[in-house]
Amino acid sequence: NAGVTQTPKFQVLKTGQSMTLQCAQDMNHNSMYWYRQDPGMGLRLIYYSASEGTTDKGEVPNGYNVSRLNKREFSLRLESAAPSQTSVYFCASSEGKDYGYTFGSGTRLTVV
Amino acid sequence: QKEVEQDPGPLSVPEGAIVSLNCTYSNSAFQYFMWYRQYSRKGPELLMYTYSSGNKEDGRFTAQVDKSSKYISLFIRDSQPSDSATYLCAQETSGSRLTFGEGTQLTVNP
Repeated sequence: NAGVTQTPKFQVLKTGQSMTLQCAQDMNHNSMYWYRQDPGMGLRLIYYSASEGTTDKGEVPNGYNVSRLNKREFSLRLESAAPSQTSVYFCASSEGKDYGYTFGSGTRLTVV
Repeated sequence: QKEVEQDPGPLSVPEGAIVSLNCTYSNSAFQYFMWYRQYSRKGPELLMYTYSSGNKEDGRFTAQVDKSSKYISLFIRDSQPSDSATYLCAQETSGSRLTFGEGTQLTVNP
């Protein structure tokens, strides 16, 4: 039972570098989400995809882009990393309204 | 003002105690609430969900919503060291999005 798989688990980037965080789910869920979790701020929504082919901004989208590659995969890209993007990033998926999220185990990103 | 507010704690209790975890919300238009549990260095996992007012019970856990005061609560009876985790409340808003509280860190001491 893989659920939601995120790669990589850890990453250190230099300021200005780019990278893509990968997320895949095997539960045939329609909706997928990217959150970041910071001390004192909780989980904040970056982008979400209600269904394949659609993406929308969340609470904190600046500095990020996303791609819903197919129903299974939803990637998050940092084009030019900044120290303020140091965080733990979680991907989640859901069957839709009134269903809970299934979260991945997170990517711990440090930007130096 | 945050849409969902939660006291971050930390909260430390002895084994066997009754634990009360609380959140307040500001948007009354959405009445679907969830509680997630997050162990250290893991992703959150769904613990319970509840709709509108009233109680929902699942084993040692009870979720409660009070619409009049915009208050949601999670009670843990006979708490165990394995309950030590961060507990996150969440409100489902438009587009099936979840708005989370900051999380309360709970430690149950043997």
